[in-house]
Amino acid sequence: DAGVIQSPRHEVTEMGQEVTLRCKPISGHNSLFWYRQTMMRGLELLIYFNNNVPIDDSGMPEDRFSAKMPNASFSTLKIQPSEPRDSAVYFCASSLNNEQFFGPGTRLTVL
Amino acid sequence: SQQGEEDPQALSIQEGENATMNCSYKTSINNLQWYRQNSGRGLVHLILIRSNEREKHSGRLRVTLDTSKKSSSLLITASRAADTASYFCATGLPTGANSKLTFGKGITLSVRP
Repeated sequence: DAGVIQSPRHEVTEMGQEVTLRCKPISGHNSLFWYRQTMMRGLELLIYFNNNVPIDDSGMPEDRFSAKMPNASFSTLKIQPSEPRDSAVYFCASSLNNEQFFGPGTRLTVL
Repeated sequence: SQQGEEDPQALSIQEGENATMNCSYKTSINNLQWYRQNSGRGLVHLILIRSNEREKHSGRLRVTLDTSKKSSSLLITASRAADTASYFCATGLPTGANSKLTFGKGITLSVRP
């Protein structure tokens, strides 16, 4: 298995633009997590899904952030409009038996 | 919050020495996990210990859990330069499988060759 796949690996955009991050979890894993990591705030859970259903989105910063999981093999995290303070590394992780497997992350820079 | 808090924040040791990292948390947990993150990479799962377990080993790793003190320790024996990374503890709620984890801010371990 290729592990959790995230795209793009790097994204540079201008304030106000829409950003879409993509994640393909490991086949057979039924939970998917989106995290954001910054030096100041550490690793923050944004939202997680069980069996494609959002369970807890209390970490989503505000209405500018949205996440979907249309099927078991794909999820997106969208930021619209983006702001400089959204600059961070965004990780997707999938889980089996409580152990989480992280993707390589997307480094987002909003100018 | 049941967020795990690691101690120390940074640790520098010589290759071959043992590294001990600690984690404390605030509320009841189902399990506690340790992860490693190399610079610029995603987190990698190291070991999971359940709330009814006291000690677990995996290769050069030894994890202990004291639920009465709400604390855990990760011991890396005979450290190597390749162990240089950030280490995070994460706690899972007692609400069933695949519940969310709450991560601490991490410990930066530097192993000098």
